[in-house]
Amino acid sequence: AQTVTQSQPEMSVQEAETVTLSCTYDTSESDYYLFWYKQPPSRQMILVIRQEAYKQQNATENRFSVNFQKAAKSFSLKISDSQLGDAAMYFCAYRSFFVRFGAGTRLTVKP
Amino acid sequence: DAEITQSPRHKITETGRQVTLACHQTWNHNNMFWYRQDLGHGLRLIHYSYGVQDTNKGEVSDGYSVSRSNTEDLPLTLESAASSQTSVYFCASSESPRGEGDEQFFGPGTRLTVL
Repeated sequence: AQTVTQSQPEMSVQEAETVTLSCTYDTSESDYYLFWYKQPPSRQMILVIRQEAYKQQNATENRFSVNFQKAAKSFSLKISDSQLGDAAMYFCAYRSFFVRFGAGTRLTVKP
Repeated sequence: DAEITQSPRHKITETGRQVTLACHQTWNHNNMFWYRQDLGHGLRLIHYSYGVQDTNKGEVSDGYSVSRSNTEDLPLTLESAASSQTSVYFCASSESPRGEGDEQFFGPGTRLTVL
């Protein structure tokens, strides 16, 4: 079965600095999708960024970018110029047939 | 604006009772999903549906059932609530037919406590 591992339960970053959240996954499939979701204290799940496994180019959305290493089965999220509003739980997710989520990383942003 | 809603937002029930959580979406999406969120586990898929009359088991389906009689609604039923089912439940929907890569839109969640 596919599994998704987020090895950092908590991370902290200074405002305006850069932080990287780690995610690894286990699969035998070649075609799949990867996602990062943000969950602020409101509990609302918000899609941050999406990567298609067959695309070599790393996805980027404004201050958010990923480092997708298919052979290593690694999918890290980089947040540049961190803002106070970035504080949240971040979930990595893998989807082929259906979505599997990691356990999450709680990001704190210090002013 | 299109949205996905869940009711109730909070529910307290007793062990052994039947409980139904409602999910309603106005996106006109084919695909609907139910997840539970527990500390240390992230979100885990309970059941999902790719269209009317279609339902499928996810990875933690024991003790839960769903039915899909129309596009907009996917109610989740706990047949006989157990304390292990205390959790936050999220409903989600997505658009494309069995779309693997499309974004899932999530409801606000229902916090269920089973005493």
